[in-house]
Amino acid sequence: DGGITQSPKYLFRKEGQNVTLSCEQNLNHDAMYWYRQDPGQGLRLIYYSQIVNDFQKGDIAEGYSVSREKKESFPLTVTSAQKNPTAFYLCASSSVPGQRNNEQFFGPGTRLTVL
Amino acid sequence: DAKTTQPPSMDCAEGRAANLPCNHSTISGNEYVYWYRQIHSQGPQYIIHGLKNNETNEMASLIITEDRKSSTLILPHATLRDTAVYYCIVRVRSGGGADGLTFGKGTHLIIQP
Repeated sequence: DGGITQSPKYLFRKEGQNVTLSCEQNLNHDAMYWYRQDPGQGLRLIYYSQIVNDFQKGDIAEGYSVSREKKESFPLTVTSAQKNPTAFYLCASSSVPGQRNNEQFFGPGTRLTVL
Repeated sequence: DAKTTQPPSMDCAEGRAANLPCNHSTISGNEYVYWYRQIHSQGPQYIIHGLKNNETNEMASLIITEDRKSSTLILPHATLRDTAVYYCIVRVRSGGGADGLTFGKGTHLIIQP
């Protein structure tokens, strides 16, 4: 089935450690996104990528890094510089704007807890 | 992207129509109205979008006022599985880049049995 997968669903890390969250899509979408959600809040954009080997900072990029070496994959690294990394992380993808449908499709999310 | 205002929560009886309002008084001419919903601890799900005409699909109907300053999402026969947070978002649909969506706090719709 086509879709977006994120793994793992739950992740625990010690403070000071970097951690990489996985996001894979087989929808042949060009654009991919990472969002963060805190309890009772809406989603906030961390990074997005319109095309392979290119990505842009979103509203809250500090303490995070990404790569886009393959169209299907957009991993997010939460670094030790992120002051409050415990959150629900959501990955999404969409086709290129200007095409008939470019709505964003979301993965199931990864809940990261830093102890 | 234009800002939206939604009530924080609403209740609706199972089987009845759920009408979720959204104000977007600063919407500009090339901005669309999008609706997403998020069931607890899951990723958001696209529902519907429109520019100025009313739209309907298998999930919902979207009614946009003539001046485009507000809209209503209608779930015609709400079920318990429709309990979720519903987000109204306005944005330019096509343009120079695939930038992200701006989510507010949305409306928490609770369907009562």
